[in-house]
Amino acid sequence: NAGVMQNPRHLVRRRGQEARLRCSPMKGHSHVYWYRQLPEEGLKFMVYLQKENIIDESGMPKERFSAEFPKEGPSILRIQQVVRGDSAAYFCASSPRRANEKLFFGSGTQLSVL
Amino acid sequence: RKEVEQDPGPFNVPEGATVAFNCTYSNSASQSFFWYRQDCRKEPKLLMSVYSSGNEDGRFTAQLNRASQYISLLIRDSKLSDSATYLCVVSGAGNQFYFGTGTSLTVIP
Repeated sequence: NAGVMQNPRHLVRRRGQEARLRCSPMKGHSHVYWYRQLPEEGLKFMVYLQKENIIDESGMPKERFSAEFPKEGPSILRIQQVVRGDSAAYFCASSPRRANEKLFFGSGTQLSVL
Repeated sequence: RKEVEQDPGPFNVPEGATVAFNCTYSNSASQSFFWYRQDCRKEPKLLMSVYSSGNEDGRFTAQLNRASQYISLLIRDSKLSDSATYLCVVSGAGNQFYFGTGTSLTVIP
């Protein structure tokens, strides 16, 4: 049973470009969470999704950031017109359908904006 | 007020020492509690769930005090490999998970 799969592992973008981060949850998991971690800081919640629905996006910046979890395929975190301050590790986590079950994390995508 | 608060440390302890971390949470309706471990630049990994009755896994003991709204983690006989950041996580209504900022532990030879 494969774990949470994130790709790419490392992503380099120039300022103004778009970044697309992908996350495939564990088999049987229908809840996906995205977190951002800046260097030397803790995990910051960004968005919580279920299939085809955004449940809580209170942690998402109002501009340039969007997320989706389509019926088929991975969850996508999209950052438009990236800036240097977007450089961070982005972790995806998934949990099963049952409420408040533990989270399982992917290995993360390290985004570097030049 | 933050949902989850932890002492960031750092805690520097010698091998073989016992060390304890505490964490407080603000929402009395919180339902599930966990300790995660995060090594530098890697993803958090579940260390243990925390139950009201307390639970133990080898050298690790977790306790939950609902009345005072705090969670603790005790590590006995510390090993060098225990050096990491320990994250307190609380889950509540709506399937939302709240992370503390983490407590840094370094075990010194």
